[in-house]
Order: sequence, then structure tokens, then C-alpha cells
Amino acid sequence: SYELTQPPSVSVSPGQTARIPCSGDALAKRHANWYQQKPGQAPVLVIYKDSERPSGIPERFSGSSSGTTVTLTISGVQAEDEADYYCQSADSSGSYHVIFGGGTKLTVL
Amino acid sequence: QVQLVESGGGVVQPGGSLRLACAASGFTFSSYGMHWVRQAPGKGLEWVAFIRYNGNNRYYADSVKGRFTISRDNSKNTLYLQMNSLRVDDTAVYYCAKETDATDVFDVWGQGTMVTVSS
Repeated sequence: SYELTQPPSVSVSPGQTARIPCSGDALAKRHANWYQQKPGQAPVLVIYKDSERPSGIPERFSGSSSGTTVTLTISGVQAEDEADYYCQSADSSGSYHVIFGGGTKLTVL
Repeated sequence: QVQLVESGGGVVQPGGSLRLACAASGFTFSSYGMHWVRQAPGKGLEWVAFIRYNGNNRYYADSVKGRFTISRDNSKNTLYLQMNSLRVDDTAVYYCAKETDATDVFDVWGQGTMVTVSS
């Protein structure tokens, strides 16, 4: 089955760099996207196609890909970045479906 | 501005039915694929269903296949999710989401509507 695996939590101090990995076999062939979700709010797209940043998203958010792992990097973390982050991709090898990683809670210490 | 507004959530008994709607505005609704994504209380995001821009192709998560039906009315700029044979584990906030020109990328989300399945 197609799965995306993320660590449940990551903690960093303000101003440091946070890195959130997401791994899955299909990422070798498919792009991944990242969403930020704050409590009580809808998700927001922060990175798409592994490393593209939508307009309006701060430059401190970046993405990279290597093999079967994609990584969301937040440089110079700010308190407002505390949120849940989800990676997402899709698979059409069988019937088309979309997969989300389990989510990573970013805590700013 | 680009906006999605869900409606139709509520409390329903197991085995019951509910129809969600997602009203779109601020973009050419008929040009984009649309998805439903849900989130159970305290849990992560789970994809539910997808419909292509013209309604010709529909896909479902295994967990809802045969019970849920996604549809759209491009003349009304509205997306729907008909949910039948509801189960307790269908309890969640249901979001509609718009694809970008790049498929599988969700650039606009609604605020969500809560569905509670309980006896």
C-alpha cells in the first residue's frame, strides 16, 4: 500500500531551523506537497511539487527531495510557525487516490 | 476572492444519510478538479474523494467506496458529497478543496463542516 511516514513531533527554539521529513516509496516517482494546519483552521498549502513555494508563503519555508524522502525546512522558525504539518502525494498505479502523511506537530520552544 | 464554503453538516444516527455542499466563488469552478478531505477529531487528514473538472471521472478512498458519492453542478458552482450508510468512524470535519492547474495540489480549502455520527 502507498504510505507516507512523518515523525509525530519536532521541536525547535525560535530562530533555529526545523526539518520535517516525509518518506514513502512512491515519492521516488511522484511529487509531494506540504500543508500547514493551525488549531481550528483549515490546512494551508506551503510547498508544492517538492520545492515550489506559493505566493504569500514566507521565504523561510522551503522543500527538497532525495530518493524516497521529501523534507520541509523552516529556517529561522518563528512562534507563529507552531502548527501541524502534513505531506501529501498521490498514486495512480491502481485506482487513483491521494495520500496524506500522519502529520508532524511542530513545537516552538 | 477565491472562496469555498461548505454546508450540510450535522448530527446523524449510524446508518443514516447526509448531503454536504461546497459553494465556490472567485474562480472558474468548471475548470478545476475538486476533492473532499476529512479530519476526525484529534486525528490527521484523510482524503475522501475526487471529481474531475467536468465530472467525468470520480475516485474514492476505500473507506467510503460504495457509500459516498461525489458530484458537482458546474452551473451552480457547487460541489456535493452524498454520504449514505454512515458509520461512527465517519465522524469528522469535512473539507472541500480545489486543485491547482497542477493536479493533486490543493491550493484552496473551505472552512470545513462537522459531521457527527452518533446514536
